[in-house]
Amino acid sequence: DAKTTQPTSMDCAEGRAANLPCNHSTISGNEYVYWYRQIHSQGPQYIIHGLKNNETNEMASLIITEDRKSSTLILPHATLRDTAVYYCIVRSPTIGTASKLTFGTGTRLQVTL
Amino acid sequence: NAGVTQTPKFRVLKTGQSMTLLCAQDMNHEYMYWYRQDPGMGLRLIHYSVGEGTTAKGEVPDGYNVSRLKKQNFLLGLESAAPSQTSVYFCAGCGRVSGELFFGEGSRLTVL
Repeated sequence: DAKTTQPTSMDCAEGRAANLPCNHSTISGNEYVYWYRQIHSQGPQYIIHGLKNNETNEMASLIITEDRKSSTLILPHATLRDTAVYYCIVRSPTIGTASKLTFGTGTRLQVTL
Repeated sequence: NAGVTQTPKFRVLKTGQSMTLLCAQDMNHEYMYWYRQDPGMGLRLIHYSVGEGTTAKGEVPDGYNVSRLKKQNFLLGLESAAPSQTSVYFCAGCGRVSGELFFGEGSRLTVL
């Protein structure tokens, strides 16, 4: 699985959009981009994933560049409850692949009043 | 539908003691993973399994053993606990197709 690079921390004002970048320049053609978040000491929670098209769900939007070397997770209206560590990982969910998922240190998003 | 359940949630051990963490899932996941998380750090993969009866080493396997005798259960064992194994342990399951990981709530282990 390809490695990812994320900023260590970011701040965002409540009600504003939070844009979290991720660099994955070594991503290969069949690898998806996944985003998770970890609130305080809870287990990480799945947010969204995509291959090459932009994706949106009830939690967030995912924008993947055309060359797929980077992506941005967008929380359109951040709230205090969105304060968490956000992890970007890339992986191939190929059937039968012994896919070792590795998490880096992620981006610590602090949402403030 | 419980999802991914870890037991125990808290445990204190003395150096040299042994224990087993149980991860149980009712989501029919093929893949299961054990991670550890130390303060201020990301998750590090200990061991994983791609199916019943199979296990493999992750990036920090030393001092741990695992077994997956049944598809729904993934056990993490510490044969002789050391203070360096004080950590929060997370189990996760994943389907073959979706690739989406479902995590348990964590097991906080302290080794004195």
